[in-house]
Amino acid sequence: DQQVKQNSPSLSVQEGRISILNCDYTNSMFDYFLWYKKYPAEGPTFLISISSIKDKNEDGRFTVFLNKSAKHLSLHIVPSQPGDSAVYFCAASADGRKLIWGLGTSLAVNP
Amino acid sequence: DSGVTQTPKHLITATGQRVTLRCSPRSGDLSVYWYQQSLDQGLQFLIQYYNGEERAKGNILERFSAQQFPDLHSELNLSSLELGDSALYFCASSPRRTVGFSDTQYFGPGTRLTVL
Repeated sequence: DQQVKQNSPSLSVQEGRISILNCDYTNSMFDYFLWYKKYPAEGPTFLISISSIKDKNEDGRFTVFLNKSAKHLSLHIVPSQPGDSAVYFCAASADGRKLIWGLGTSLAVNP
Repeated sequence: DSGVTQTPKHLITATGQRVTLRCSPRSGDLSVYWYQQSLDQGLQFLIQYYNGEERAKGNILERFSAQQFPDLHSELNLSSLELGDSALYFCASSPRRTVGFSDTQYFGPGTRLTVL
């Protein structure tokens, strides 16, 4: 049972445009959501997070939006850069317990 | 560089064998997490240790075990290996006991296990 779903395995965007990565979840008890980025041959690195009491969190070019009623979150990258090409994982937790991860979306930013 | 080290980088072994993966957390981090990433799979949480004690368990098989030592490094032991155990195994560390808003997990580069 995949509690965190990233339905798009891959996404391709032009440099300078917006990248939107989506994540859906099924567990209404999740209260903390994160995005991680992973380059080949490296471990995931933390990108941005949001708690369930907020609907938006911004950090530079990265913004995460949370829609609790739809159990949906999205990561916006504006403007996209070639160095953003990586696999992006969405993860969630409930009550400070373990992180549940999505399968990832591979983003390719084309020059 | 996350500050988390994992050894070995690659491991090739045969079915039925036993291997040990090692993780050294970031300096000062008390929590260590182990994850498995199989082909076409996301990260599957296996187990967490906090300051030497088991804190949370995920989808860890009975053939697998882990421990965290007094110097806070951790080992993941995989025994009676099967072909399906071939995967990337990541270790992560964090300062706190719980997964919280300000508590990021820092990942090592992973150990790629191939079971032939």
